[in-house]
Amino acid sequence: QKEVEQDPGPLSVPEGAIVSLNCTYSNSAFQYFMWYRQYSRKGPELLMYTYSSGNKEDGRFTAQVDKSSKYISLFIRDSQPSDSATYLCAMSLIIQGAQKLVFGQGTRLTINP
Amino acid sequence: NAGVTQTPKFRVLKTGQSMTLLCAQDMNHEYMYWYRQDPGMGLRLIHYSVGEGTTAKGEVPDGYNVSRLKKQNFLLGLESAAPSQTSVYFCASLGDKSYEQYFGPGTRLTVT
Repeated sequence: QKEVEQDPGPLSVPEGAIVSLNCTYSNSAFQYFMWYRQYSRKGPELLMYTYSSGNKEDGRFTAQVDKSSKYISLFIRDSQPSDSATYLCAMSLIIQGAQKLVFGQGTRLTINP
Repeated sequence: NAGVTQTPKFRVLKTGQSMTLLCAQDMNHEYMYWYRQDPGMGLRLIHYSVGEGTTAKGEVPDGYNVSRLKKQNFLLGLESAAPSQTSVYFCASLGDKSYEQYFGPGTRLTVT
């Protein structure tokens, strides 16, 4: 069983829709919970992070963490074609003084105009 | 600032050939990482470094070697390339905050 599981999609929705992306994890030692966005043929970029259970909002994006269920989500409101990308969840932990990230498989999202 | 840069952007190798991928960062970051990204697999950690002169193995280190002779550079070597090493390779460095890794643009490697 992978430490982090993410539905790879692909997911295709119309412009303006609410998008929900989800990951589950198995390691209780994870400290930070992140979402990276990766445009085609580019490197991933950090979109949001959180370290506690609950919701965190940033504009049209909301990151949600439920540590009791080991489940994280990213919601995108009023989705735009520019949101079309692959979204990767990532969890971090410190091992021997070094941060390590464990990534989900990534969900490819397309927003149709 | 250029951030994290990677050289080359593309490369095609024949089985058994060797090559070195170069990662450079100009943010004075201590930590640097090499990942590979394959369809359906996400990003997997190959090797990482916590500072100049130090390296450590990640999740999938076999067939790769690394060196960090200078703080700003992290090299990934393939001594004898295999088709299973066909992938997109990303380098990342860790900023002052403990959670944000900055990624380079990637190197697309094909081994035939």
